[in-house]
Amino acid sequence: AQSVSQHNHHVILSEAASLELGCNYSYGGTVNLFWYVQYPGQHLQLLLKYFSGDPLVKGIKGFEAEFIKSKFSFNLRKPSVQWSDTAEYFCAAFSGNTGKLIFGQGTTLQVKP
Amino acid sequence: KAGVTQTPRYLIKTRGQQVTLSCSPISGHRSVSWYQQTPGQGLQFLFEYFSETQRNKGNFPGRFSGRQFSNSRSEMNVSTLELGDSALYLCASSLREATEAFFGQGTRLTVV
Repeated sequence: AQSVSQHNHHVILSEAASLELGCNYSYGGTVNLFWYVQYPGQHLQLLLKYFSGDPLVKGIKGFEAEFIKSKFSFNLRKPSVQWSDTAEYFCAAFSGNTGKLIFGQGTTLQVKP
Repeated sequence: KAGVTQTPRYLIKTRGQQVTLSCSPISGHRSVSWYQQTPGQGLQFLFEYFSETQRNKGNFPGRFSGRQFSNSRSEMNVSTLELGDSALYLCASSLREATEAFFGQGTRLTVV
């Protein structure tokens, strides 16, 4: 069955630390991949997306993600986090085979000032 | 342009009742999807509509249903509510499948 797994459920970092959140999806074929962020009290918004081409994609607010097809992974990175990055992060994958956009369980990031 | 609008924002219902949630997508978007968000479970896919047709359905019981109107607005209905149905219900719209989904603020449903 189609699924998306996020390895870290809760991450705590100090400001200026580097961030990497893991994401794996379970199926082959053509996939479109997304990272969404949900700040406290706000709606989900798109950080970045990958459809094809350069596997290293850059998003808003200094975030980037790397698509590694052989590992079925799409990890999110940021070199230096800020307190304002405290939020919940969701990885999502759209499979052309199933026609569904499926989300991972989410990772709560807490950045300490 | 206006974003995705969900109404109501909050609901409190009693077990056994039914509830209808509404979603108005971004103008021009014809695809509307619904998700259930609960702590620890993330977003669970409920169903997706495109041009008034349900194209995909998640693994939820038949008590969960939906529909889409000719103006792309969508409703979802939950009948015979259970305590476990308490969650944030999110609606997302997109131009077409596989493209970026834009989310509404959600409807917080509490079943008591």
